[in-house]
Amino acid sequence: GQNIDQPTEMTATEGAIVQINCTYQTSGFNGLFWYQQHAGEAPTFLSYNVLDGLEEKGRFSSFLSRSKGYSYLLLKELQMKDSASYLCAVRGVTSGGYNKLIFGAGTRLAVHP
Amino acid sequence: EPEVTQTPSHQVTQMGQEVILRCVPISNHLYFYWYRQILGQKVEFLVSFYNNEISEKSEIFDDQFSVERPDGSNFTLKIRSTKLEDSAMYFCASSYTGDSGNTIYFGEGSWLTVV
Repeated sequence: GQNIDQPTEMTATEGAIVQINCTYQTSGFNGLFWYQQHAGEAPTFLSYNVLDGLEEKGRFSSFLSRSKGYSYLLLKELQMKDSASYLCAVRGVTSGGYNKLIFGAGTRLAVHP
Repeated sequence: EPEVTQTPSHQVTQMGQEVILRCVPISNHLYFYWYRQILGQKVEFLVSFYNNEISEKSEIFDDQFSVERPDGSNFTLKIRSTKLEDSAMYFCASSYTGDSGNTIYFGEGSWLTVV
């Protein structure tokens, strides 16, 4: 089966660091994406991991451990505008190729002053 | 920066009516997708499309749904006879290839309300 777990909600303080975890069990793996989604808007690409390790992109970093089926998104120097849902999505290897993203339910992050 | 565009942004339709949602993928992209998100729920894959044919579809994508690339730029999702449970945000997306290294970019979504 396909299962992607992330915490439902998190809160953090402006200027702080927050780590959002994601664990996955999928029938095949071909990369993990993190997207940001503000309410009523489209998912916006943040980061991508296909090999183990850390990918850094400005204030955002993402880590992957394929053996553990685990990833995290690290947000530094939090700003109020970072209040959004953060979606973990696994690119599955399907019979038709690599064409399907399987999303977790998302983590709603609230940043407060 | 190139982007995926969708129309309409919001449509209200009566149950049983046909709806067509339109998308213009990023111009050099070859893979196109439709996803949907029911209010308060996770984003769900519907269908992927490559080389003028469906390459993958989910259980949600039944006979009521169809996709088409009528010309060189548009990609459409048709729902033949809408049901109340079809009410959702429908996202079009595209990527250059289907390989692991390629990001999937999403459009702003079409919010469909079936009454």
